[in-house]
Amino acid sequence: AQSVTQLDSQVPVFEEAPVELRCNYSSSVSVYLFWYVQYPNQGLQLLLKYLSGSTLVKGINGFEAEFNKSQTSFHLRKPSVHISDTAEYFCAVSDPGSNYQLIWGAGTKLIIKP
Amino acid sequence: SAVISQKPSRDICQRGTSLTIQCQVDSQVTMMFWYRQQPGQSLTLIATANQGSEATYESGFVIDKFPISRPNLTFSTLTVSNMSPEDSSIYLCSGTGMGNTEAFFGQGTRLTVV
Repeated sequence: AQSVTQLDSQVPVFEEAPVELRCNYSSSVSVYLFWYVQYPNQGLQLLLKYLSGSTLVKGINGFEAEFNKSQTSFHLRKPSVHISDTAEYFCAVSDPGSNYQLIWGAGTKLIIKP
Repeated sequence: SAVISQKPSRDICQRGTSLTIQCQVDSQVTMMFWYRQQPGQSLTLIATANQGSEATYESGFVIDKFPISRPNLTFSTLTVSNMSPEDSSIYLCSGTGMGNTEAFFGQGTRLTVV
């Protein structure tokens, strides 16, 4: 069965510094990959997704992620964070062969220090 | 993209009572999902709601406790029955559109059982 590992439960970073949030998944079969953001007291919003094609995916709010099949990773990056990026970030995997059910990582809380 | 309106956004309920959460989508979605999210944790899938058939429940969740309705392609309800303080959580509904390449979320229902 698929599993998703987000290696860091919290990532503190200074404002305007770069950030990388790590995500690894377990299976080498073709999957869809997603990053969602959850702001305090809100639902989840899609940041970006990888379905196929270019391994570098650009999303909203200046975020991007790179799909690495050999390392089964899908790390999220932003070159310069803002205080408004403070949120919980979730990595998820969808296996088209399993009815597209999403398998979720535990989440990474991004803490922006002024 | 689809917009999901979920209500209520929050509620405080007495133990032993039931609460029905509603999700209305502004377009047809093929599959709808109900999640529970404990504070500071990831999403746990309760069940998958398909139109015209009974919901499919994940391990640890049963229909008597979490009855679900899906009368059409734009609406679903989740009832939390005979509530106890352990049911205090955030409940989220989600839908996927044609091709199932992206999940959309409601804003969540923050439930407190006293």
